[in-house]
Amino acid sequence: DAGVIQSPRHEVTEMGQEVTLRCKPISGHNSLFWYRQTMMRGLELLIYFNNNVPIDDSGMPEDRFSAKMPNASFSTLKIQPSEPRDSAVYFCASSFELADTQYFGPGTRLTVL
Amino acid sequence: GQSLEQPSEVTAVEGAIVQINCTYQTSGFYGLSWYQQHDGGAPTFLSYNGLDGLEETGRFSSFLSRSDSYGYLLLQELQMKDSASYFCAVRDSGRRKLIFGQGTELSVKP
Repeated sequence: DAGVIQSPRHEVTEMGQEVTLRCKPISGHNSLFWYRQTMMRGLELLIYFNNNVPIDDSGMPEDRFSAKMPNASFSTLKIQPSEPRDSAVYFCASSFELADTQYFGPGTRLTVL
Repeated sequence: GQSLEQPSEVTAVEGAIVQINCTYQTSGFYGLSWYQQHDGGAPTFLSYNGLDGLEETGRFSSFLSRSDSYGYLLLQELQMKDSASYFCAVRDSGRRKLIFGQGTELSVKP
């Protein structure tokens, strides 16, 4: 079975540009999580969905960040406009019914110049 | 709120045993999880303790004491490939999301 799929794996962009990160969860999983990881702040939960519905977006840093899950097999995290401090690795993870076992994708390494 | 404390770094030699501790403060408790992350890789699930005691999975074991708000991950017969960061995590009071510790970087030396 394919694991969680994320694209792109690497993204380099300039400040002010829009960035869209994509995630395909494991088939059959109904919970999806977006995390951000930096050396300074560690692994932070940004937002999570259950059955395609956003449950908690309290970790989204500001209005520049938005996330959608139009169907059970696809989610996006968008940053508009991007800033250098958004540079981080962004992980998507999925699980069945908010279980403690979460399966992480390979991550997207974002660099904003 | 929730907070977790774990050592930032641990060093051990190949073949040895190492213990990574995790203490937590939570308003409710619904289990302690451990994840492993190799440099440049994604976190992967290792173990979960919902009740007190020891859970064993091959060379890895995880222990929980709810009365002490404490757990640990025990790695035996260390191998070079065990060099990675190890995160403990607890579920938040709403039982809906995981809160991760800052991670312990384990270096295994020959």
